[in-house]
Amino acid sequence: QKEVEQDPGPLSVPEGAIVSLNCTYSNSAFQYFMWYRQYSRKGPELLMYTYSSGNKEDGRFTAQVDKSSKYISLFIRDSQPSDSATYLCAMSASSNYQLIWGAGTKLIIKP
Amino acid sequence: EPEVTQTPSHQVTQMGQEVILRCVPISNHLYFYWYRQILGQKVEFLVSFYNNEISEKSEIFDDQFSVERPDGSNFTLKIRSTKLEDSAMYFCASSTRDGGELFFGEGSRLTVL
Repeated sequence: QKEVEQDPGPLSVPEGAIVSLNCTYSNSAFQYFMWYRQYSRKGPELLMYTYSSGNKEDGRFTAQVDKSSKYISLFIRDSQPSDSATYLCAMSASSNYQLIWGAGTKLIIKP
Repeated sequence: EPEVTQTPSHQVTQMGQEVILRCVPISNHLYFYWYRQILGQKVEFLVSFYNNEISEKSEIFDDQFSVERPDGSNFTLKIRSTKLEDSAMYFCASSTRDGGELFFGEGSRLTVL
């Protein structure tokens, strides 16, 4: 079983829709959870950073962590064509920063 | 807004040649990292660096790789004798503290022929 599973997509939705992106993981020791956005041939850009369980909201983005289910989500409200990118989840068990990455979900927002 | 900068953006080299990729982390950051991403594959951790020494490295980071902070601003990744399979995007990242948010550069694309 892979440590982090993420559906590669592509996920195509109309502009204005609510987008839900998810990752599951197997290592119960993971405590740090991140979502990155990556445009084609660019570096990952940190969107959300969460420690342990719970929700975090930042503008149109909401990150949820459910450690009991080993499941994390990123919600994007009022999606825009500029949100079209690959979204990567990443997580680690400790602060030594061997981040374990999901494969990334390619998101396409259609105008 | 402060950012991590990387040079070169793209380098093409012959197999067996040495390559140095350069990074300028955000100025008040203390922890530095190299990651790589082979085209179409996951981002992979290579190495973390703090207080002028390697704090963690992955299995990928073998003897052909080395890192250095030659001065107060640059952080370099050297690949001593490049192989075809070293072709990838190499990302530098930095953070203010251990366990802090990572900020990535735009990457250096390495193509080994």
